[in-house]
Amino acid sequence: KQEVTQIPAALSVPEGENLVLNCSFTDSAIYNLQWFRQDPGKGLTSLLLIQSSQREQTSGRLNASLDKSSGRSTLYIAASQPGDSATYLCAANPYSSASKIIFGSGTRLSIRP
Amino acid sequence: EAGVTQFPSHSVIEKGQTVTLRCDPISGHDNLYWYRRVMGKEIKFLLHFVKESKQDESGMPNNRFLAERTGGTYSTLKVQPAELEDSGVYFCASSQVYGANYGYTFGSGTRLTVV
Repeated sequence: KQEVTQIPAALSVPEGENLVLNCSFTDSAIYNLQWFRQDPGKGLTSLLLIQSSQREQTSGRLNASLDKSSGRSTLYIAASQPGDSATYLCAANPYSSASKIIFGSGTRLSIRP
Repeated sequence: EAGVTQFPSHSVIEKGQTVTLRCDPISGHDNLYWYRRVMGKEIKFLLHFVKESKQDESGMPNNRFLAERTGGTYSTLKVQPAELEDSGVYFCASSQVYGANYGYTFGSGTRLTVV
């Protein structure tokens, strides 16, 4: 059974710092791993999708990596800004149940001006 | 391209009442999913439609929940009768292909409060 874990649950850093959010998953048999952002009271915004055959994806100041052998993914945010404050969720799409994606509990990020 | 649309955005109902949530997927997306997040827990899968057929409903918590997708377009999720533990945020998502590398697009969610 696939389990997805995100540590830490919350993170606060000063503006301008580079930071890394961590995601781990127990079953490496996945189609893809997706990172989402959720703002308070809002829906989920897809940030990056890493296919199982890929090692990383980049979008602007965001870079996501995937290491299936170790069951880990990271989301790197460069030069953080107050507008980056949100909850970040990772989700794995396992072979065992292709209909669903399995979410982690998220990391609540706060960027201090 | 319009995104995934859900309504209402918020609903407050009394225990024992009925509530119906609606989701309009992205046009052309055959795959539609319902997820929910209850207080303090992870977002969990409820069910998956391929067009009008239920592909996987293993996440539906009990028979008080009924999902439909008539004609393979929009979907409704009915909770009848609602219980306090049903409170949470219900998300809908759609995708072109499942089990592949296309990812999901989520709606803004419906926040359900049962009092």
